[in-house]
Amino acid sequence: QVQLVQSGGEVKKPGASVKVSCKASGYSFTSYGVSWVRQAPGQGLEWMGWISPYNGNTNYAQKVQGRVTMTRDTSTSIAYMELRRLRSDDTAVYYCARNGDSENFDSGDYDYWGQGTLVTVSS
Amino acid sequence: QSVLTQPPSASGTPGQRVTISCSGSSSNIGSNSVYWYQHLPGTAPKLLIYTNSQRPSGVPDRFSGSRSGTSASLAISGLQSEDEADYYCATWDDSLKGVVFGGGTKLTVL
Repeated sequence: QVQLVQSGGEVKKPGASVKVSCKASGYSFTSYGVSWVRQAPGQGLEWMGWISPYNGNTNYAQKVQGRVTMTRDTSTSIAYMELRRLRSDDTAVYYCARNGDSENFDSGDYDYWGQGTLVTVSS
Repeated sequence: QSVLTQPPSASGTPGQRVTISCSGSSSNIGSNSVYWYQHLPGTAPKLLIYTNSQRPSGVPDRFSGSRSGTSASLAISGLQSEDEADYYCATWDDSLKGVVFGGGTKLTVL
């Protein structure tokens, strides 16, 4: 069965960086895009971007462009999301999700999700 | 302020039918497919509806979706207590070149 398992929660100081991992299993990792979505406390869902595990292509949301890097390791089927220069408003639960359409990652179609990783930014 | 507008709350009694709306524009809902998610606190969001009106396997047929012009809606019939959750619509926005979500609707089963 398809599973996305994320790394554990993190506590970071403002200005630091965080790297969250998302290990995929139960399907061909390089056949589907992986997107990242976050939810700040009391807020809605916010798209951060996607990565193609096949060729490493990425597409980032304008709001985090310049601070975020998404990478992948095809040998271990793990996708990573690194966010730099953390601010207090980056405190959120970060989710990885598999794009449901193997050919179009620009959609909002996410059929499997990781369990979420709480990143807390506090001095 | 979300690009897609949803009512912040909705409610109904067991067995009732409720509808949740999602209003957008020509650059998002008007030209791209809409997806709906159910989100319970502390869990991962769950895909309820894809490509406007399709249900993934395992999703009860009590859930249905539709899109017309620059709006979409999610209908839940035969409301059950387990349907109490937050519901989000999502789509691609051609102008922003990114995925946009609605602000979410908290459904309460009275």
